[in-house]
Amino acid sequence: DAKTTQPPSMDCAEGRAANLPCNHSTISGNEYVYWYRQIHSQGPQYIIHGLKNNETNEMASLIITEDRKSSTLILPHATLRDTAVYYCIVRVGNAGNMLTFGGGTRLMVKP
Amino acid sequence: ETGVTQSPTHLIKTRGQQVTLRCSSQSGHNTVSWYQQALGQGPQFIFQYYREEENGRGNFPPRFSGLQFPNYSSELNVNALELDDSALYLCASSLGTFQGTGELFFGEGSRLTVL
Repeated sequence: DAKTTQPPSMDCAEGRAANLPCNHSTISGNEYVYWYRQIHSQGPQYIIHGLKNNETNEMASLIITEDRKSSTLILPHATLRDTAVYYCIVRVGNAGNMLTFGGGTRLMVKP
Repeated sequence: ETGVTQSPTHLIKTRGQQVTLRCSSQSGHNTVSWYQQALGQGPQFIFQYYREEENGRGNFPPRFSGLQFPNYSSELNVNALELDDSALYLCASSLGTFQGTGELFFGEGSRLTVL
């Protein structure tokens, strides 16, 4: 699976958009980009995933660059409950339940 | 709430002992995987079970073993505990063998402390 690079920490003001970047310059054509988050003392939670096109769901939007070497997770209106570690993971779609978690980005949403 | 439940939530063992951790998957999910998360690090994949057989394993020694039962619940067993086994152990379930859906449902974990 391709390696990902994320900033270790970010701050965001409550009510503003949180934009979390991820670099995956060695991504292969059949690898998806997944985002999970882990709120303190809880298990990871799936947020969104995509292959080439931008994706949006009730939680977030995923913007993937045209060359697929980087992506951005957008939380449109961050709340205090969005404070968590966010993991960007790149992997093929049929690799079973194996996810390779890196260090992630610790997002702190401040009032 | 993901519907994945794990027990016990916390436990303390001593070096050399054995431990069994349990997981009930979300209703209808037939694939279960286990992860180890050391303090301050991301989770690491241990193995997964599908239809009661192990069909994927990470870089963990044989003293980490598991079972999956006909009702899809699962156990993680760790023998000859070492201090470095102290971690949060997470169970995740999904339907099928994860053919691109991307969504695993994690439990809240079992925190093991080895003294």
